[in-house]
Amino acid sequence: QVQLVQSGAEVKKPGASVKVSCKASGYTFSSYGISWVRQAPGQGLEWMGWISAYNDNTNYAQKVLGRVSMTTDTSTSTAYMELRSLRSDDTAVYYCARGGKLGSSYYMDVWGKGTTVTVSS
Amino acid sequence: EIVLTQSPGTLSLSPGERAALSCRASQSVTSSYLAWYQQKPGQAPRLLIYGASSRATGIPDRFSGSGSGRDFTLTISRLEPEDFAVYYCQQYGTSPITFGQGTRLEIK
Repeated sequence: QVQLVQSGAEVKKPGASVKVSCKASGYTFSSYGISWVRQAPGQGLEWMGWISAYNDNTNYAQKVLGRVSMTTDTSTSTAYMELRSLRSDDTAVYYCARGGKLGSSYYMDVWGKGTTVTVSS
Repeated sequence: EIVLTQSPGTLSLSPGERAALSCRASQSVTSSYLAWYQQKPGQAPRLLIYGASSRATGIPDRFSGSGSGRDFTLTISRLEPEDFAVYYCQQYGTSPITFGQGTRLEIK
């Protein structure tokens, strides 16, 4: 079945970096893109950006631009999201979701279970 | 960016009743690229509706979406116990992708 499996929970200190992985299975990885969405405790959903698994084009949200990098490894059907210079307000559950192949204008039809990232000194 | 405002914030209904959730955009949503997601506690969001009115795979037909331009509605025709959750609308036609703040559907 189509699924996205994310890496485990992380605890980081302010100023550190975190890299979350998202391994796809059950579909042709390069025929879609991956969006990353986060959810702070008790809050709503916030889109962070998108990467095409077809051509590695990216589209990042302004709020995290300059601190985020999204990459893919087609040999392992895995997407990665790295967030640098972590702050306490980056504490959230981070989700990967399947999206469009050529642009971010696509709905998210398959979601990973989420990775909890806690930023605390 | 397009701001999506969902109403009501909380909706209290009983199983068997009909629910209507609203999503209003600050500007017209391109090509009706509007989706609805359901989220239960501790779970990832689940796609219900895309393109404003198309049901995602495996979604029961009691869920329906309608609307265009700036105003959209998710209707659940007859509430089942498993439908009580938080619902988010999302526009994906204009970057950045944005979500509404959510409507909590609770059992009355």
